[in-house]
Amino acid sequence: QQPVQSPQAVILREGEDAVINCSSSKALYSVHWYRQKHGEAPVFLMILLKGGEQKGHEKISASFNEKKQQSSLYLTASQLSYSGTYFCGTPMNTGNQFYFGTGTSLTVIP
Amino acid sequence: DAGVIQSPRHEVTEMGQEVTLRCKPISGHNSLFWYRQTMMRGLELLIYFNNNVPIDDSGMPEDRFSAKMPNASFSTLKIQPSEPRDSAVYFCASSLGAGGPEETQYFGPGTRLLVL
Repeated sequence: QQPVQSPQAVILREGEDAVINCSSSKALYSVHWYRQKHGEAPVFLMILLKGGEQKGHEKISASFNEKKQQSSLYLTASQLSYSGTYFCGTPMNTGNQFYFGTGTSLTVIP
Repeated sequence: DAGVIQSPRHEVTEMGQEVTLRCKPISGHNSLFWYRQTMMRGLELLIYFNNNVPIDDSGMPEDRFSAKMPNASFSTLKIQPSEPRDSAVYFCASSLGAGGPEETQYFGPGTRLLVL
């Protein structure tokens, strides 16, 4: 039931772009994106509530394809501060059971 | 705002001992979540409270785990007896409303538990 993310890990040079995908075998009612730095708690990035919705903050944006049951996170012109593990998260029904994805480790190097 | 507060930050104990983890949610938040994070299983939701009432505890691994929320500003997660496989980072998170699909969860710093 856990959403599957791809890739599992990615290494970028500063300024390069990356895409992280999140796929679910079940219907998605919303998609949350979090970033976790090593040894720290997950930090909220954004929520997408409706199919077709796209959101962005500075150079990080996301899209939500409800029909395909997937979401993608786009990081453009990556910075060193973007390094961390990115998780998508979703309630698996309209109730409260919440599942985080398998995680994607992103490392940005100079 | 102080954010979600968890204590202790680190706990080392021996197998068979009782462990109690504590959480203070953000003031005014009505929902509280307990998660466990391990390398093997990732982030797992253990239990969720709304207005101090447990709504979904289907993620609690077994009877050795119990959670309470006696009031809106305090929750505990207890493991008795603890086992080495319980070693993990335990996160508490809170959200403003009923914990629905549109709500942001704010995480505490976590408690690193090591059971020897």
